[in-house]
Amino acid sequence: QLVEFGGGMVQPGGSLRLSCTASGFTFNTNAVTWVRQAPGMGLEWVSALTARDGSTYYADSVKGRFTISRDSSKTTVYLQMNSLRADDTAVYYCATCRGRYYDLPLDSWGQGTLVTVSS
Amino acid sequence: DIQMTQSPSFLSASVGDRITITCRASQDIRSYIAWYQQKPGKPPRLLIYAASTLESGVPSRFSGSGSGTDFALTITGLQPEDFATYFCQKYNSAPPLTFGGGTKVEIK
Repeated sequence: QLVEFGGGMVQPGGSLRLSCTASGFTFNTNAVTWVRQAPGMGLEWVSALTARDGSTYYADSVKGRFTISRDSSKTTVYLQMNSLRADDTAVYYCATCRGRYYDLPLDSWGQGTLVTVSS
Repeated sequence: DIQMTQSPSFLSASVGDRITITCRASQDIRSYIAWYQQKPGKPPRLLIYAASTLESGVPSRFSGSGSGTDFALTITGLQPEDFATYFCQKYNSAPPLTFGGGTKVEIK
């Protein structure tokens, strides 16, 4: 089971850190991905972190502003979001991949956490 | 970046119908496509991966087909719980792992 924390309302230009915690397992064998969904819109792949060596990947829309990382125990993955913009407003889901690499289907999802960027 | 064009955006159908949703990739992605179902207020659920492999626990009325650039998700014998939004996603290497725009299946 995956649980996301850290959503909320922030002003444009602000920062927020999301957490994704694994319950009952670690992120030792599965890559983790963040996917977001703006209100009433489709799904957007945001970032991923591989299980094997912790390599990171980003969508162009967040590159240079967002950073994905994990803790040393590999039970929590973070998404540090800086320089937030109104178009970052979305529900952010974390999801595990069907294996150690990021380019795999997403087979387990958290319930999502809402990020609202507004003044 | 590879684009995923999903159609139709909306589909009105009745219980028991057979429906097909298509997804076209802008480049050859072999069979690296997954299909997800999402209900309002819920996270997506993986239905099919590798174009045609059913995820564990997914009813057999769901099926996937295609390879290269053209893919389809078919539901044979639509059930009340199938009214939802469906997304395709390409997952071959090279990010972003793009999703299609989604197809909302509504009750006629």
